[in-house]
Amino acid sequence: EAQVTQNPRYLITVTGKKLTVTCSQNMNHEYMSWYRQDPGLGLRQIYYSMNVEVTDKGDVPEGYKVSRKEKRNFPLILESPSPNQTSLYFCASSLMRGVSYNEQFFGPGTRLTVL
Amino acid sequence: SQQGEEDPQALSIQEGENATMNCSYKTSINNLQWYRQNSGRGLVHLILIRSNEREKHSGRLRVTLDTSKKSSSLLITASRAADTASYFCALGEETSYDKVIFGPGTSLSVIP
Repeated sequence: EAQVTQNPRYLITVTGKKLTVTCSQNMNHEYMSWYRQDPGLGLRQIYYSMNVEVTDKGDVPEGYKVSRKEKRNFPLILESPSPNQTSLYFCASSLMRGVSYNEQFFGPGTRLTVL
Repeated sequence: SQQGEEDPQALSIQEGENATMNCSYKTSINNLQWYRQNSGRGLVHLILIRSNEREKHSGRLRVTLDTSKKSSSLLITASRAADTASYFCALGEETSYDKVIFGPGTSLSVIP
């Protein structure tokens, strides 16, 4: 089944404890992206990647890191999480770059709470 | 970058009725997409309309785009309880080929 998977789905952690949220897609998509969703704000893009080893900042990149060493994987790293990073996170992928013209496929989401 | 603004924020209708939600924006766009999100789950792409199109249909969905008014509407006809979800417009700005900007969404409740 073609899909985007994220792990973990739920995570409660404490301030400053490094964590990684994994994202994997099995559709051979070039483009991958991370979003966070907060009440009343819609989805805001954190980082995106147009292909292996090519990443770029979105609208809210502060406090996050990403890497794209393989085409299928795009992990999101929080080196020192803070409470303002408590949010619902979504990974998405698209067949090719140019998501303003192409649909994105979303993962199920990761609900992160930072105490 | 700017955000689309959906209107209304929340909408409650009876099953079988039509649901209309609107998206307004401020800058120039290449196209506009609509996505649906069931409670707490990932978004699902519904439809894309290009800036040179005025109307597009997909099943029970009808999308219009008025670039002179900088607005789009999503109409769901003969609504069903399964249409209960949040609906988001996503703007493809002229200046940014690799990003879309999501609005805050309209929460639709369809009462059986």
